Amino acid sequence: DAGVIQSPRHEVTEMGQEVTLRCKPISGHNSLFWYRQTMMRGLELLIYFNNNVPIDDSGMPEDRFSAKMPNASFSTLKIQPSEPRDSAVYFCASSFPTSRGNTGELFFGEGSRLTVL
Amino acid sequence: SQQGEEDPQALSIQEGENATMNCSYKTSINNLQWYRQNSGRGLVHLILIRSNEREKHSGRLRVTLDTSKKSSSLLITASRAADTASYFCGISQGGSEKLVFGKGMKLTVNP
Repeated sequence: DAGVIQSPRHEVTEMGQEVTLRCKPISGHNSLFWYRQTMMRGLELLIYFNNNVPIDDSGMPEDRFSAKMPNASFSTLKIQPSEPRDSAVYFCASSFPTSRGNTGELFFGEGSRLTVL
Repeated sequence: SQQGEEDPQALSIQEGENATMNCSYKTSINNLQWYRQNSGRGLVHLILIRSNEREKHSGRLRVTLDTSKKSSSLLITASRAADTASYFCGISQGGSEKLVFGKGMKLTVNP
């Protein structure tokens, strides 16, 4: 089992550029989560999907951020235009189907470290 | 904030000693989960305790939950240098599937 796969692992870009982060969840998982980790703010939930449908995007910082899940095996998080304060490690996580909104164990990818100059 | 808050923020102990980490939260929960993060890596699930459970064990890990005090503790017994990592508690609440984390606690186990 390959686990949750994220790409790229590292990205350095200049302010104003578009950034696209990618995630492949574990096969059979129906929930997918995007988190952002910084020293100052810790681990923040940005958005999560259930059965490819965005359920809660209240953590998305602003309109520059968007996320899609076109199918059960792929999701993207896009930042356009990027700013230096977006520099962080972005994690994708997925989980098995759960009942009655009871969250089970999350499986995390290794993260995408973004640096915006 | 609905997130859990870990305490202490950092802990340094000697190999063989026990390490205790605490997590407090503000509202009712479905379950509480503890995760570990090694430097530069993703989080790895350690143990989950449901709101109707009071204690769970897994190997050298012991988790307790006190819903009246809205707190949980993670005990690592007979710590090893390899236990050096950051530890996070994640809170699952209400009918939502999302898991909200605290800022984490850094544990250093000195050989």
